[in-house]
Formats: sequence, structure tokens, C-alpha cells
Amino acid sequence: DVKVTQSSRYLVKRTGEKVFLECVQDMDHENMFWYRQDPGLGLRLIYFSYDVKMKEKGDIPEGYSVSREKKERFSLILESASTNQTSMYLCASRKTSTGELFFGEGSRLTVL
Amino acid sequence: GNSVTQMEGPVTLSEEAFLTINCTYTATGYPSLFWYVQYPGEGLQLLLKATKADDKGSNKGFEATYRKETTSFHLEKGSVQVSDSAVYFCALKVYGNNRLAFGKGNQVVVIP
Repeated sequence: DVKVTQSSRYLVKRTGEKVFLECVQDMDHENMFWYRQDPGLGLRLIYFSYDVKMKEKGDIPEGYSVSREKKERFSLILESASTNQTSMYLCASRKTSTGELFFGEGSRLTVL
Repeated sequence: GNSVTQMEGPVTLSEEAFLTINCTYTATGYPSLFWYVQYPGEGLQLLLKATKADDKGSNKGFEATYRKETTSFHLEKGSVQVSDSAVYFCALKVYGNNRLAFGKGNQVVVIP
């Protein structure tokens, strides 16, 4: 069974903390994505990576950075967490031949 | 640019009722169209897709037809079950563009 695994389902952090969200896929996909999901706003793309060490900003990259050192792992970093980054974060990888995205179960982050 | 519009607001209906969720799109080029579903507490998963005009995608009793003339990809199911309660997202991808454009999603609640 193909799988995208996000390291934490629920996190609670304090304002100003550095936060790492990890995502691992076992499908050998080149493309990986980080989205955030908020009520009434749907999914918004933060960053994506089309290959190892390659990244591109999405629609809302401010306050975030990413790391892709290995093909299977794509990390989202909040350098200094703020309360407006409280959200559900979804990682996905894409099968290039069909365009289909495979999603992880999500990481719900609360910043106090 | 590329964008997807879904009808506003949640949808509440009784078991065995007919479900329609509207989706219209704007795209540069010829998009592939997708419906994703998010069950409570889970990430998104592909429900169905269509890659060219007049194609019909179908899965789990759901259907959607790619209508180029009306730029639409409406989702339908003839008889919903309580287990169909979820959030449904319409999405598109244009060839040569790494990003998928998502609609804001529709919460569907099926009452026994």
C-alpha cells in the first residue's frame, strides 16, 4: 500500500518556537508538496519540491521554509512560530505519470 | 490563471438522497480534473478523475463528467449513505504546471 507519513498528528507549540514538520513517502515520487488547510479557505500551497534539493514557493510561503535532502523526505520548518500559523498541515507527493496526489493524514499544529 | 470554484456552503441531506456538488473551472491550456475526498480525521484521497473533454470519471457510486463547453466537472451520486459524509474538493492540473488548483471544498453531511 502506498503511503505518505507525517511525523506528528497533533502538536502544541509556543510563540517563537522553531517547529519541524516531517513527511516521508515510500513511492519514489519526485514531486512533494506542503499545504495548509483552514476552514473557509480550503487548501493553500506553501511550498513544493520537484526534486531533491529543489524547491519552489507556493502561494503562502511567508514564515515557512522547507528542506528536501533525500527524495523520500520533505520537511516544513516554521522558524519562529506565530499564532496565525495554527492550522492543519498536509503533505502530499505526486505520481508524475497521472498527476494524482497522495496525501498524508495531516498534522494539526496549535501555536499558543 | 488556473482556478476552481465550488458552490458555497455545506450540504446536508438524508440517506438515499441524490447528491450534486457543482464545480466550475478556469484554466490556461487543457486541464485534467479531479475530485478528492477527505473523511473525518484523514488526509485527502483521490475519488475520481477525468483527463479530457467528455470523459466520465467514476468511483464508489460517484460520477463526474468533464464538460469543456461549460467548463464544469460536477460531482453526482444517486443514493448517498452516512459513510459518504466528508469534505469534497474539486481540483485541476494543467500540463506543464507542477501545481494543482483546488476549490475550497464542500462539507457533506448525510443524516440517517
